[in-house]
Amino acid sequence: ETGVTQSPTHLIKTRGQQVTLRCSSQSGHNTVSWYQQALGQGPQFIFQYYREEENGRGNFPPRFSGLQFPNYSSELNVNALELDDSALYLCASASPEDTQYFGPGTRLTVL
Amino acid sequence: SQQGEEDPQALSIQEGENATMNCSYKTSINNLQWYRQNSGRGLVHLILIRSNEREKHSGRLRVTLDTSKKSSSLLITASRAADTASYFCATDAGGAQKLVFGQGTRLTINP
Repeated sequence: ETGVTQSPTHLIKTRGQQVTLRCSSQSGHNTVSWYQQALGQGPQFIFQYYREEENGRGNFPPRFSGLQFPNYSSELNVNALELDDSALYLCASASPEDTQYFGPGTRLTVL
Repeated sequence: SQQGEEDPQALSIQEGENATMNCSYKTSINNLQWYRQNSGRGLVHLILIRSNEREKHSGRLRVTLDTSKKSSSLLITASRAADTASYFCATDAGGAQKLVFGQGTRLTINP
């Protein structure tokens, strides 16, 4: 167990809809990162939050946005869903020693 | 584009044999991490090796790092059926705690 939880486990949406994914990090881990993993690929960095501020972003459009809350929980929001957004979404919290602990992921299917 | 490239993409061996996976990367790093993923679920952290380290051990795992060749290897000794999974290397080339992953090696252990 990594101490990182995500919800929901699975989600089905249609094109154009909006989705919110949630993550609860380990207590004391101030950094949370989100990754997108398409089928058969390695995870790709979406963005990172540190103490509730965005702290770096990968090559993802602005319709991918996030929030981090003081209670070590965070959200990933995706607007105007596209078919290519279908993927496993992973969040990870980082220990002070740089190790990143991943949650079990949310499988998003866009129809 | 992804930083790391794992080799081979797929590996199938008999239970009890050793499995070696390699990872190459392109830019300077501070650390490199190896993860395991079962059936498209969350990533399990295996080991972190820093740029000033050459080798680390954890149980049946041995990781080496050659920064001059920008490469790392993961050796699993005395493999078990439960080791069947995808293995990913990830570097901090994207910045502190912003991991850049390869496409992974799919390891199958045959009983």
